[in-house]
Amino acid sequence: AQSVTQPDIHITVSEGASLELRCNYSYGATPYLFWYVQSPGQGLQLLLKYFSGDTLVQGIKGFEAEFKRSQSSFNLRKPSVHWSDAAEYFCAVGPNMDSNYQLIWGAGTKLIIKP
Amino acid sequence: DADVTQTPRNRITKTGKRIMLECSQTKGHDRMYWYRQDPGLGLRLIYYSFDVKDINKGEISDGYSVSRQAQAKFSLSLESAIPNQTALYFCATSDPNRGPQPQHFGDGTRLSIL
Repeated sequence: AQSVTQPDIHITVSEGASLELRCNYSYGATPYLFWYVQSPGQGLQLLLKYFSGDTLVQGIKGFEAEFKRSQSSFNLRKPSVHWSDAAEYFCAVGPNMDSNYQLIWGAGTKLIIKP
Repeated sequence: DADVTQTPRNRITKTGKRIMLECSQTKGHDRMYWYRQDPGLGLRLIYYSFDVKDINKGEISDGYSVSRQAQAKFSLSLESAIPNQTALYFCATSDPNRGPQPQHFGDGTRLSIL
């Protein structure tokens, strides 16, 4: 069955430290991959997406993610976090050959920033 | 103005009441979705619509119904609300006409059923 796993429910990092949020997926073919961020009281905002090509993709707010086919992973990274990055982050996977483009969502990782 | 607008933003109601959550969009997208979010469960798809005449059940449609009144409007109804429908509800849109595209979300409706 198709699935998306975000192994970390919470992650705490110090402001200025580097960040990596993990996302692993189970899918029969190369999917489309997304990372979204949800700030408190707000909807989900797209950070970045991978469809094809370069496996290292750049997103907004200084985030990047790397698609690793051999590991079925799409981890999100940021070299130096800011207090404003505190939010919940969701990884999502979409089929690349299906006409309805439904997304499968991970359970989310809540990022806590220590001052 | 927001591209995807949900009303109301917050609602508290009682068990057994009928509730309608509304979503309107100015993005011109054909596809619209309703999700619910529960802590630790991520987003779960309730219903989705590819156009006004095409409505489909998602993974958790029981207890919910939808209406696509126009391309820009997609409403979610709880015919007889129950406490385990307390959740954060999101509407989203996407444009299929240029291949797979990200979904664009409203700010959510926080629904509490007592």
